[in-house]
Amino acid sequence: DAGVTQSPTHLIKTRGQQVTLRCSPISGHKSVSWYQQVLGQGPQFIFQYYEKEERGRGNFPDRFSARQFPNYSSELNVNALLLGDSALYLCASSSLAGQETQYFGPGTRLLVL
Amino acid sequence: GQNIDQPTEMTATEGAIVQINCTYQTSGFNGLFWYQQHAGEAPTFLSYNVLDGLEEKGRFSSFLSRSKGYSYLLLKELQMKDSASYLCAVRGLWSGNTGKLIFGQGTTLQVKP
Repeated sequence: DAGVTQSPTHLIKTRGQQVTLRCSPISGHKSVSWYQQVLGQGPQFIFQYYEKEERGRGNFPDRFSARQFPNYSSELNVNALLLGDSALYLCASSSLAGQETQYFGPGTRLLVL
Repeated sequence: GQNIDQPTEMTATEGAIVQINCTYQTSGFNGLFWYQQHAGEAPTFLSYNVLDGLEEKGRFSSFLSRSKGYSYLLLKELQMKDSASYLCAVRGLWSGNTGKLIFGQGTTLQVKP
């Protein structure tokens, strides 16, 4: 079975641009969470979606938004990119929204110049 | 607020045993996870503790004491491939019905021959 997939794997953008990152969960999983991981630190929670509805939001500015599609895949959008947005963006899927273990995808490495 | 502490770096010898500690202070507790992350890769799930005691999985064991806000990951018969970052993550009552995890900064383990 395929695990969590993310695209693209790497991305270079300039300040002020917008970016869209994509995630497909493990087959049968209905929940997707997004995390940002800055080099040398642990991941930080951005969003969780379950059954196309936002279930949780972390302490990130409104420039960050996300959505989940009927097939449970998800997109993370970041507007007006800042240098500090450079990070590894991880998507995690779980079968349900609450108690279940989250399984991570390979991530998208974003560099903002 | 929530705070999770783990040592930044550890070094151990191939074939030995190493214990990675994690202490947490949270407004509530609803499970603790350990993930392994090799450089440039996604975190991989290792273990989950929600009740006090020891969970064993092959060469890896994880212990939890909720009254002390303390967990450790024990790695036995260390192999070179165990060189990685080990992330402690807590799910708390703040998570509500979400799977939001709060991560520590990670412990980088270097295994030497």
